[in-house]
Amino acid sequence: ELKVEQNPLFLSMQEGKNYTIYCNYSTTSDRLYWYRQDPGKSLESLFVLLSNGAVKQEGRLMASLDTKARLSTLHITAAVHDLSATYFCAGNEQKTSYDKVIFGPGTSLSVIP
Amino acid sequence: NAGVTQTPKFRILKIGQSMTLQCTQDMNHNYMYWYRQDPGMGLKLIYYSVGAGITDKGEVPNGYNVSRSTTEDFPLRLELAAPSQTSVYFCASSDGTGGEKLFFGSGTQLSVL
Repeated sequence: ELKVEQNPLFLSMQEGKNYTIYCNYSTTSDRLYWYRQDPGKSLESLFVLLSNGAVKQEGRLMASLDTKARLSTLHITAAVHDLSATYFCAGNEQKTSYDKVIFGPGTSLSVIP
Repeated sequence: NAGVTQTPKFRILKIGQSMTLQCTQDMNHNYMYWYRQDPGMGLKLIYYSVGAGITDKGEVPNGYNVSRSTTEDFPLRLELAAPSQTSVYFCASSDGTGGEKLFFGSGTQLSVL
């Protein structure tokens, strides 16, 4: 069964600083997702990474995928307060005919002035 | 475009009561999912479906039942509610063609007292 871990679980960072959130997964997953959740809200898709070496960027966030290491990273550049949220990664557990999406525990990010 | 619609948004149940959480999507998606999110935690997959008439268990299916009679609807049934089922429940859908993101509903906050 696919297990997804994230590190760190809690992150407090100053505005303007850079940081990376790590996502490790236990078995083969042919795609990796990143989602954002604001307090009391639903989840919003950030990135879908489909292949080894995939890199996607949106504003101050950049996600990458290394399928050989079973590792994805979410890099935050020059953090701003609006990025404060919980970030989830998720992998795709493949079954014989269809697959299911399994989430990690989330990283709660607080960006402080 | 409504996307994924969940009802109700809030509900309080007494121990032993039953209820159905409704989820409907208007995007003609094949895949639908039910997740639960406990306070400060990640999402756990309860059940999922890859099309009308096809459902499968996720990580935490005990105490729940689902059905998928149409492409649009994927209700989640709680029988004999227990305090351990106090959680926020999210329904999600995707088109299942590969590489696609999940679209989430706004969630149902359920308390069992």
